[in-house]
Amino acid sequence: GAGVSQSPSNKVTEKGKDVELRCDPISGHTALYWYRQSLGQGLEFLIYFQGNSAPDKSGLPSDRFSAERTGGSVSTLTIQRTQQEDSAVYLCASSPGRATGNTIYFGEGSWLTVV
Amino acid sequence: SQKIEQNSEALNIQEGKTATLTCNYTNYSPAYLQWYRQDPGRGPVFLLLIRENEKEKRKERLKVTFDTTLKQSLFHITASQPADSATYLCARGDDKIIFGKGTRLHILP
Repeated sequence: GAGVSQSPSNKVTEKGKDVELRCDPISGHTALYWYRQSLGQGLEFLIYFQGNSAPDKSGLPSDRFSAERTGGSVSTLTIQRTQQEDSAVYLCASSPGRATGNTIYFGEGSWLTVV
Repeated sequence: SQKIEQNSEALNIQEGKTATLTCNYTNYSPAYLQWYRQDPGRGPVFLLLIRENEKEKRKERLKVTFDTTLKQSLFHITASQPADSATYLCARGDDKIIFGKGTRLHILP
C-alpha cells in the first residue's frame, strides 16, 4: 500500500490476555519503529528495526513486550498478560533509512484498551 | 542522558500572528532535527528536517532554525490560522528517533 498500515485499528482485551498488533511498513523501507502514546502524553520509543541488524529493544517497558520483523517487512508487537496500564495507542512507523535523514512515516495506530 | 525537550506544553496564539515553538537538546549533538505535526487521533506527520550545517529551512509558512551553540531549534508558523492548531513534535536521532513531548498549539480566531 501507499502508507504504513496497522491492524487492528482498535482492540479491547481483558486483563491478563495476550495481544498481537501488526504493522505493514511502506514497501522498500528498511527501518521500522514502534512507539506507544498514552492519552495526552508524548511518544514513547519502544523498539527499532534496521535491515538485518539486531533490533534496538531499549524502549520495551517490560519482558511482557516483544516484537519481531519477518523477512525485513511486516512486524508484530506482542504484549503478554496485558495490564490496564498497557492501554494506549501503539504507533508503527517506517523509514527509507539514514540516507534521507531518517524521515519517518507513521501509521494511524492501534488503539488498545485493557479492561 | 541524551534529552530532547519542548518546554511549552501548550501555546495560545492569535490568528494572523507568528507562532514560535522551542525544542532544546542536551548531552547530544544531533546531525539533524525533525519537526512533525500530530492531530488528535492521528499519527504524526513529517513537516521539516534541518541539518546541523543549516541555519534555517523554510516551507511555505513554516520556518525552522537550528542553533548548535544554544542547542536549540525554533519552529515558526507565520500568518497563523485556526487550521494550524495541532500538537507539534520535535525529534532527534540518527537511527533511533526520539521525540519531545510536544507542544499543543491553539490558534485563536
